Amino acid sequence: GDSVTQMEGPVTLSEEAFLTINCTYTATGYPSLFWYVQYPGEGLQLLLKATKADDKGSNKGFEATYRKETTSFHLEKGSVQVSDSAVYFCALKSDTNAGKSTFGDGTTLTVKP
Amino acid sequence: NAGVTQTPKFQVLKTGQSMTLQCAQDMNHNSMYWYRQDPGMGLRLIYYSASEGTTDKGEVPNGYNVSRLNKREFSLRLESAAPSQTSVYFCASSEIRIWNTEAFFGQGTRLTVV
Repeated sequence: GDSVTQMEGPVTLSEEAFLTINCTYTATGYPSLFWYVQYPGEGLQLLLKATKADDKGSNKGFEATYRKETTSFHLEKGSVQVSDSAVYFCALKSDTNAGKSTFGDGTTLTVKP
Repeated sequence: NAGVTQTPKFQVLKTGQSMTLQCAQDMNHNSMYWYRQDPGMGLRLIYYSASEGTTDKGEVPNGYNVSRLNKREFSLRLESAAPSQTSVYFCASSEIRIWNTEAFFGQGTRLTVV
């Protein structure tokens, strides 16, 4: 079945540091890949997505590239801010899984001033 | 545009009590989902409804029932609450026929069973 493995957290960075959160996946079909962000006390919301190999999703300074050869979708940001403190979830949606999304366990990011 | 609306936002139950969590979406999505979120365990799918009139079990369905009342509404019922059901519950919806579209989430219900 489908699965998503995320880098374990928590991750603590200083403001303006470079961020990478690793994500690898296993899927039987041709998945679309997503990063969701969850701010304290809120539900998940889409951060970015990529729907085919070599696509790059980007939003709010975050980027991730769909790498089919390494089955990876790592999240990066060049300079994090305190406001980026949140939980980040990698997810996939496969055409062979009745449209259900499969989520990683989430990575908690704390950015200190 | 409200998106996905869940009620209530917070609830405290005694062991053995029952309750229904309500969810409604206004995006005309066919599929709806209930997840629970526990520390260190990510999101786990409880039940889902691929379309109006159908429901299916997810990873952790025991102790729960669902009703897809119409295309907009999908409720989750705890018949006899247990402390192990203390969690944050999220409802989500998406368009099942389009594989590259994201899920939209409600703000969650924080449930404590004492």
